[in-house]
Amino acid sequence: DQQVKQNSPSLSVQEGRISILNCDYTNSMFDYFLWYKKYPAEGPTFLISISSIKDKNEDGRFTVFLNKSAKHLSLHIVPSQPGDSAVYFCAASSGTYKYIFGTGTRLKVLA
Amino acid sequence: GAGVSQSPSNKVTEKGKDVELRCDPISGHTALYWYRQSLGQGLEFLIYFQGNSAPDKSGLPSDRFSAERTGGSVSTLTIQRTQQEDSAVYLCASSLEGATRGHRTDTQYFGPGTRLTVL
Repeated sequence: DQQVKQNSPSLSVQEGRISILNCDYTNSMFDYFLWYKKYPAEGPTFLISISSIKDKNEDGRFTVFLNKSAKHLSLHIVPSQPGDSAVYFCAASSGTYKYIFGTGTRLKVLA
Repeated sequence: GAGVSQSPSNKVTEKGKDVELRCDPISGHTALYWYRQSLGQGLEFLIYFQGNSAPDKSGLPSDRFSAERTGGSVSTLTIQRTQQEDSAVYLCASSLEGATRGHRTDTQYFGPGTRLTVL
């Protein structure tokens, strides 16, 4: 039973355009959400997070949107750069240390 | 060190052998976590340490898996009598405080992982 789902295994975007990565969750008790980025042969790197009391959090080119009623969050990267090519994981927690991760979306930014 | 380090980076072993995986967390981080990522899957929580104690071992898949942490720092994940389904990338993470009552858990920082292949 996957509580956090990333239904798109891969995404290709042209450099300079917007990348939108999506994540759905089923557990209404989740109240904290994170995005991690992973390059090959490296561990996941924390990117951005959002608490359920907010619906948007922005950090430079990265913005995370949370739609609690739809149990959906998305990560927007604008403008996309070739260095953004990586696997992106969303994760959720219900106020504890235990993160539940999605299966990841591989983003490829084309130069 | 500056980040979480893990060793070895790769481990190939034969079915039935025991393996030990090591994690060095970020200096000063009291909380330590082990995850694993099997092919095509997300990261699966295994165990959480607060200091040297492990209040949550709920993710360990079987009694062949054990972990310890000494001196509030280095942790070792041991898999006994390895099976082919144990093949995965084992990731360690650390955070400054872990779960503190009434507070938001803090960000977990991951190491590069150990790729375990059981033949």
